Amino acid sequence: TQLLEQSPQFLSIQEGENLTVYCNSSSVFSSLQWYRQEPGEGPVLLVTVVTGGEVKKLKRLTFQFGDARKDSSLHITAAQPGDTGLYLCAGAGDSNYQLIWGAGTKLIIKP
Amino acid sequence: DSGVTQTPKHLITATGQRVTLRCSPRSGDLSVYWYQQSLDQGLQFLIQYYNGEERAKGNILERFSAQQFPDLHSELNLSSLELGDSALYFCASSAYLQGGAFFGQGTRLTVV
Repeated sequence: TQLLEQSPQFLSIQEGENLTVYCNSSSVFSSLQWYRQEPGEGPVLLVTVVTGGEVKKLKRLTFQFGDARKDSSLHITAAQPGDTGLYLCAGAGDSNYQLIWGAGTKLIIKP
Repeated sequence: DSGVTQTPKHLITATGQRVTLRCSPRSGDLSVYWYQQSLDQGLQFLIQYYNGEERAKGNILERFSAQQFPDLHSELNLSSLELGDSALYFCASSAYLQGGAFFGQGTRLTVV
């Protein structure tokens, strides 16, 4: 059974600080996706990484896929209150038909 | 706007009743996924359809069923509802799994 462990589960920091969220597995994924979800709304796809070692940037957000395609990280620089939300990682395997989801990181950025 | 449309947005019903949730996927997406999210919980995968055929099943109760029609819209049927079925139900669609999934706004089901 493929699992994705996401850490930390909860993070509350001050505006302007940097943070990193991790998504780890013992399984190899063909792609790793990051989503952001606001309360009562559906998750929104932020990025997809597919190549081992790949780094993608979305403004102050940097996403990295591990060389072995088993883990990924999301780094936020100079966090802002607008970054507050639930961040979810999801992995797609080669042979299954469903995404494997991490439990999520609840991020609160205090002004 | 993700391009995925879910109706209704809110639904309040009594225990023992049956409801139908509807989803229209993004134009061109053949895959539709249904998820359940209870309060402060993660996403629980229920079922996936691809071009009208069931492709994968998750932790879907026998009281729940789904189908995807020739026009690719999908319906999730929930019957003999219990208080514990109260949750947000999301539909997502994708062209291919590795490219990511696009979620609707969800249906908030409250069973009283």
